[in-house]
Amino acid sequence: QQQVKQSPQSLIVQKGGISIINCAYENTAFDYFPWYQQFPGKGPALLIAIRPDVSEKKEGRFTISFNKSAKQFSLHIMDSQPGDSATYFCAATNAGNMLTFGGGTRLMVKP
Amino acid sequence: KAGVTQTPRYLIKTRGQQVTLSCSPISGHRSVSWYQQTPGQGLQFLFEYFSETQRNKGNFPGRFSGRQFSNSRSEMNVSTLELGDSALYLCASSLAAGTSYEQYFGPGTRLTVT
Repeated sequence: QQQVKQSPQSLIVQKGGISIINCAYENTAFDYFPWYQQFPGKGPALLIAIRPDVSEKKEGRFTISFNKSAKQFSLHIMDSQPGDSATYFCAATNAGNMLTFGGGTRLMVKP
Repeated sequence: KAGVTQTPRYLIKTRGQQVTLSCSPISGHRSVSWYQQTPGQGLQFLFEYFSETQRNKGNFPGRFSGRQFSNSRSEMNVSTLELGDSALYLCASSLAAGTSYEQYFGPGTRLTVT
């Protein structure tokens, strides 16, 4: 199975709060897990990525948590800001640049 | 460094026609991948090119094809357009192929088929 399941589909968070988006996968051969942020009318922008030999990776306000045994990974956005309002996609691959994407999460951060 | 550029940005075609979309990768990037984005199916991988060779292909009909030139620029072609081909077509470039490299997306070409 090549699916990546993402939840929730939409998320509303207050400014300053923590946004959490979850993804689950089935293919244990996946070896690279990036997250992308997409604003309306733009292409997806790479936010942060992790490989399965690491359980957590942090870049600024963005953190990926990775649970290999559960085949799950999540994106945490700390101190969420209205400018973070966008659609977020998780993805995975075991075949180089052939990404399998989750369905996306539309995040709205309320001021 | 300039990002991934795609042309044209918007396109309107009629059923049965064919269309060619163009992508120029980030300078120094040799791998180009194409994705289709629709509200119903989300982001789906079409194909990847590296060194003018198709490396991977997604689950799309043969009407979808592509190629890569020696300067790494890539084109994708859709023949005999169907209404369901209306989508945002995204190109992504990365340094190389063979392992998972960071991919950077262009702004996309919005194709509308009427």
